[in-house]
Amino acid sequence: DIQMTQSPSSMSVSLGDTVTITCRASQDVGIYVNWFQQKPGKSPRRMIYRATNLADGVPSRFSGSRSGSDYSLTISSLESEDVADYHCLQYDEYPNTFGAGTKLELK
Amino acid sequence: EVQLVESGGGLVQPGRSMKLSCAASGFTFSNYGMAWVRQAPTKGLEWVATISYDGSSTYYRDSVKGRFTISRDNAKSTLYLQMNSLRSEDTATYYCTRRGILETGDYWGQGVMVTVSS
Repeated sequence: DIQMTQSPSSMSVSLGDTVTITCRASQDVGIYVNWFQQKPGKSPRRMIYRATNLADGVPSRFSGSRSGSDYSLTISSLESEDVADYHCLQYDEYPNTFGAGTKLELK
Repeated sequence: EVQLVESGGGLVQPGRSMKLSCAASGFTFSNYGMAWVRQAPTKGLEWVATISYDGSSTYYRDSVKGRFTISRDNAKSTLYLQMNSLRSEDTATYYCTRRGILETGDYWGQGVMVTVSS
């Protein structure tokens, strides 16, 4: 199975920060990586699809990038509504696999 | 407006069965694959199973293979997950989500809680 190693597991952040979360794929998954935001008690929301594409309705301060097997989600100028859990997903191969998640907390 | 509405969860004893449903609306259901994803309390997301647009192909994670069956009724725009021989480790919120050819996870249901306990 493809492992998606996500880091950090948690991050203490301040409003206005630039935040970067990374997932490293254990095998080639090409562009088939999505990023999801999840708030407590809510369903996941897709933020980035195919590694670098901004999903509909997602603010432009979110961006996705890829460098080899490393996939990153960056939030520029963090706003209070961005404090949430974030998950990466590879869907290139079955079983599809998620990263372990990153929890953003305000300092 | 795309909507996915899960139902059928609740409390079930270990070893028993439960069937989840996901009613879809707002898009042509028969054009899309569908998937189930679960999340144990305080844990991360875990992919469970995927079914192709016509039901001809199904995929499962190893821990549910042989116990869970994903299926669909395109005439009713409904996705199902039949869960047999349930274990305590199956306790989770189960979400249905849409799967396109090159896309996945663009729409999610609200989730349904399954608790396996005696």
